[in-house]
Amino acid sequence: DQQVKQNSPSLSVQEGRISILNCDYTNSMFDYFLWYKKYPAEGPTFLISISSIKDKNEDGRFTVFLNKSAKHLSLHIVPSQPGDSAVYFCAARGLQGAQKLVFGQGTRLTINP
Amino acid sequence: DTAVSQTPKYLVTQMGNDKSIKCEQNLGHDTMYWYKQDSKKFLKIMFSYNNKELIINETVPNRFSPKSPDKAHLNLHINSLELGDSAVYFCASSQGSGGRPQHFGDGTRLSIL
Repeated sequence: DQQVKQNSPSLSVQEGRISILNCDYTNSMFDYFLWYKKYPAEGPTFLISISSIKDKNEDGRFTVFLNKSAKHLSLHIVPSQPGDSAVYFCAARGLQGAQKLVFGQGTRLTINP
Repeated sequence: DTAVSQTPKYLVTQMGNDKSIKCEQNLGHDTMYWYKQDSKKFLKIMFSYNNKELIINETVPNRFSPKSPDKAHLNLHINSLELGDSAVYFCASSQGSGGRPQHFGDGTRLSIL
């Protein structure tokens, strides 16, 4: 039972346009969400996070939106750049103080020049 | 100046063998993790140690045994390797647990022949 799902295995976007990556979760007890970016042959690197008490968090070109009623979050990248081509994982944390993250299966983003 | 380093990067071995993967972090973090990324690309937590104490032990076969000699090191020993153990294993660390952003190593690709 996968509690965090990224239903799009891949996404292709033109350079300069907006990239929107989506993530759905099933456990309403998740209270903290993170996005990681992964290049080939490297480990995931932390990108941005959001607490369940917020609905939006912004960091430069990256914005994460959280819709708790829909159990959905999304990552917006504006404007998209070639260096953004990577696999993006969303992850969720359980109850306050719970130690583990549950990851989605990732979405491969390709930015076309 | 690698933050989280794992060795070896690649490991090819025969079924039934015993092997170890080493992980070291120089970030001064007190919590370390082992994740397995299987063929479906899900990153799943296996173990977590906080200050050398085991705090997460997911449903993992007894053939997998983590060892943390100090809070900067977390090694993974695997006995009697099976075909299904083929995967990429990632080590990660964080300051505290509770789902704080984790820093990942570049992974060890284990292939069982």
